[in-house]
Amino acid sequence: KQEVTQIPAALSVPEGENLVLNCSFTDSAIYNLQWFRQDPGKGLTSLLLIQSSQREQTSGRLNASLDKSSGRSTLYIAASQPGDSATYLCAASGPDMRFGAGTRLTVKP
Amino acid sequence: EAEVAQSPRYKITEKSQAVAFWCDPISGHATLYWYRQILGQGPELLVQFQDESVVDDSQLPKDRFSAERLKGVDSTLKIQPAELGDSAMYLCASSLRDRGFVEAFFGQGTRLTVV
Repeated sequence: KQEVTQIPAALSVPEGENLVLNCSFTDSAIYNLQWFRQDPGKGLTSLLLIQSSQREQTSGRLNASLDKSSGRSTLYIAASQPGDSATYLCAASGPDMRFGAGTRLTVKP
Repeated sequence: EAEVAQSPRYKITEKSQAVAFWCDPISGHATLYWYRQILGQGPELLVQFQDESVVDDSQLPKDRFSAERLKGVDSTLKIQPAELGDSAMYLCASSLRDRGFVEAFFGQGTRLTVV
């Protein structure tokens, strides 16, 4: 069974900092890795999806990388803003889709 | 823009009562997932459908939970009887599965409080 781990569990940074969120997964036979954002009490919003054949994907200030052989993905957020404060979740998709526990990010003005 | 619809958004129920949640996936998405998310934790897969068939319900507490997806479109998740520990966010997602490509879209969830 796929197990997904996210580090750190929580992160607090001042506005403007660049930061990295980490995701690791135990079974490298995935189809793709998807990063989501979740605001308190809300559903999940897809940020980036990296297919198993890709190494990275970019959207605005977000960049996600995937190293399937080592079972790792990172989400890089450039020039963080208070509006980035949320929980960030990664999900590994194979026959099913499994999530990590998330990283709760707080960006202080 | 197509969305996954869930209802109700919020539900308060008493312990031992029955409760049901509904999900309407994005049109054409054959795969439908139900997740449970306890506050402060990641979503836990309860059941996964491919069309109308269950492909994974290994984490579904079958003594009290049931799920169906008649006609392979919308789906209902039921809890009977509800217990205090069932208080959580219940999330529905849908996806296409095309040659190993899976992009999932989520609804807004149903927040269940059992009192």
